[in-house]
Amino acid sequence: KAGVTQTPRYLIKTRGQQVTLSCSPISGHRSVSWYQQTPGQGLQFLFEYFSETQRNKGNFPGRFSGRQFSNSRSEMNVSTLELGDSALYLCASSAGGPTGELFFGEGSRLTVL
Amino acid sequence: KQEVTQIPAALSVPEGENLVLNCSFTDSAIYNLQWFRQDPGKGLTSLLLIQSSQREQTSGRLNASLDKSSGRSTLYIAASQPGDSATYLCAVLNTGTASKLTFGTGTRLQVTL
Repeated sequence: KAGVTQTPRYLIKTRGQQVTLSCSPISGHRSVSWYQQTPGQGLQFLFEYFSETQRNKGNFPGRFSGRQFSNSRSEMNVSTLELGDSALYLCASSAGGPTGELFFGEGSRLTVL
Repeated sequence: KQEVTQIPAALSVPEGENLVLNCSFTDSAIYNLQWFRQDPGKGLTSLLLIQSSQREQTSGRLNASLDKSSGRSTLYIAASQPGDSATYLCAVLNTGTASKLTFGTGTRLQVTL
């Protein structure tokens, strides 16, 4: 059974640009959530989608957005990139129930210059 | 607001030692607690999931316990090996928060030969 797949794995952008990251969950999982990991703030929750609907959102500015498609694949977008957006962005999938286990992908490493 | 603390922040032990990693959380209204492992530059690997109604879970040389009333969990690693070297993270899922995990800051473990 394939795990959570994130693309691209590494990318470099400059300030002011925008970026789109993609996540394909484990087959059959309907929930996809996104996390940002930085050395200073650790792992922080961005948002979660379930059956194409945003179910929960963290405390990030509106520049961070996401969506989920009917096949449960998800994308997140960051517009007007800032230096502080440099981070490892992790996607997790689960079956979607309240007590479910989360499975993470390898992450997308974003560097903003 | 849930806060998760992990002690110690870093730990170095010789191969073969048994060790305990600690995790504490401030809000006991949780669905579950999950332990993860993260290798440098990589994503998170789920190690153990303990539901709020459970007291412990075991997988191979790993044993995790949960005392919800006191807001504590421990991860016990038996007969440590150099391959166990990684950062270990605990995360709690609060009731009513869908897939929003709150993570601790992690314990960086080094097992030396």
